[in-house]
Amino acid sequence: SAVISQKPSRDICQRGTSLTIQCQVDSQVTMMFWYRQQPGQSLTLIATANQGSEATYESGFVIDKFPISRPNLTFSTLTVSNMSPEDSSIYLCSVARSSYNEQFFGPGTRLTVL
Amino acid sequence: AQSVSQHNHHVILSEAASLELGCNYSYGGTVNLFWYVQYPGQHLQLLLKYFSGDPLVKGIKGFEAEFIKSKFSFNLRKPSVQWSDTAEYFCAVNAREGAAGNKLTFGGGTRVLVKP
Repeated sequence: SAVISQKPSRDICQRGTSLTIQCQVDSQVTMMFWYRQQPGQSLTLIATANQGSEATYESGFVIDKFPISRPNLTFSTLTVSNMSPEDSSIYLCSVARSSYNEQFFGPGTRLTVL
Repeated sequence: AQSVSQHNHHVILSEAASLELGCNYSYGGTVNLFWYVQYPGQHLQLLLKYFSGDPLVKGIKGFEAEFIKSKFSFNLRKPSVQWSDTAEYFCAVNAREGAAGNKLTFGGGTRVLVKP
């Protein structure tokens, strides 16, 4: 497994602002992912964070709204831009040692947009 | 594209009762299968996984799951639950090959409440 931390753990933001969420892993991992868990719903993959290149986004998610950085093998950030109340969710980072392996999840960031 | 369905949204049972949570997936190729658990106030944890081999897999805390390929199912079981098993349980799938293998698809989750 891996020890994953996320910052902040929660935040309350105003409409139209942006929030950057950090994900730190205690060891190098090949794969890092970002998920969203909307209230009362399951997890949905936003994107795969690729080290040294642009993230790979899933259908319905775009780089302008959710820019992602991954400068090295232990760290990634997700920014939620120009927020609206519909962005209120838990955002989770996950990691995997390699493709097709199990993923381990961080504690999540609970975002509320007013 | 992969999809996962969990049959029960909510399950309420008493301690010592047996638990079975259904999970079915749709995908034409070979898959890896997972059950994750989220205890109240805690983050998502891996309960068990199936990659290949014996279709009956055992996980932590006395849980097991059986992969039935012909039924595209991966049901989770526990013979005797405890109050501490109160949690939300998620079934998940990823493809064994191709670009889709990076994508973990989750079911809708099942909230389990165990009454003492």
